[in-house]
Amino acid sequence: AQKVTQAQTEISVVEKEDVTLDCVYETRDTTYYLFWYKQPPSGELVFLIRRNSFDEQNEISGRYSWNFQKSTSSFNFTITASQVVDSAVYFCALSEARHSGAGSYQLTFGKGTKLSVIP
Amino acid sequence: DTAVSQTPKYLVTQMGNDKSIKCEQNLGHDTMYWYKQDSKKFLKIMFSYNNKELIINETVPNRFSPKSPDKAHLNLHINSLELGDSAVYFCASSQEGGTFGNQPQHFGDGTRLSIL
Repeated sequence: AQKVTQAQTEISVVEKEDVTLDCVYETRDTTYYLFWYKQPPSGELVFLIRRNSFDEQNEISGRYSWNFQKSTSSFNFTITASQVVDSAVYFCALSEARHSGAGSYQLTFGKGTKLSVIP
Repeated sequence: DTAVSQTPKYLVTQMGNDKSIKCEQNLGHDTMYWYKQDSKKFLKIMFSYNNKELIINETVPNRFSPKSPDKAHLNLHINSLELGDSAVYFCASSQEGGTFGNQPQHFGDGTRLSIL
């Protein structure tokens, strides 16, 4: 069974502060994929990043960066110089192959971290 | 251009009714999904279809029946609606092809179902 844990239920920061959202996962698969999604107050789910289990390089995209550490089964997400528009619920997700064949994998989501950026 | 579109956006109905939610994607993807997001924001997969074939069928009451007339559409029909069905339902799609599990899923805006 797989599990994704986002221990921080809610975080509040003041604008321009840096903030890190934690994600810890459990899997028996040797090949797996990790994702982060953003759900702003308007409700849609926006894909942010994908990482596979063989690529432990950190990634930076503008103010966003991700730190993947296989040794600790963590895939943390940092927002630098936060802005009010970053206020959203952020989900970490892990892919799981149910069986071989296309369409057979599913995303297991964490429970999300609600980030509030205060002006 | 909307990539994954769901209709309706809001659905308010009474217990016992039957309702459908439609989903269409114009991304050319071969795999589509239905997810349920409960009041605590927890997202859980319900079904997945690949090229119109049902692949994943989670433990969902058989009152829920997905239908995929073609690979660009995946509709969800719900019979005998219950209070516990109140949630936001998300449709998603991805291009799996020969590589499995590594493609991001693109989500629709969700359908908020409220049962009175």
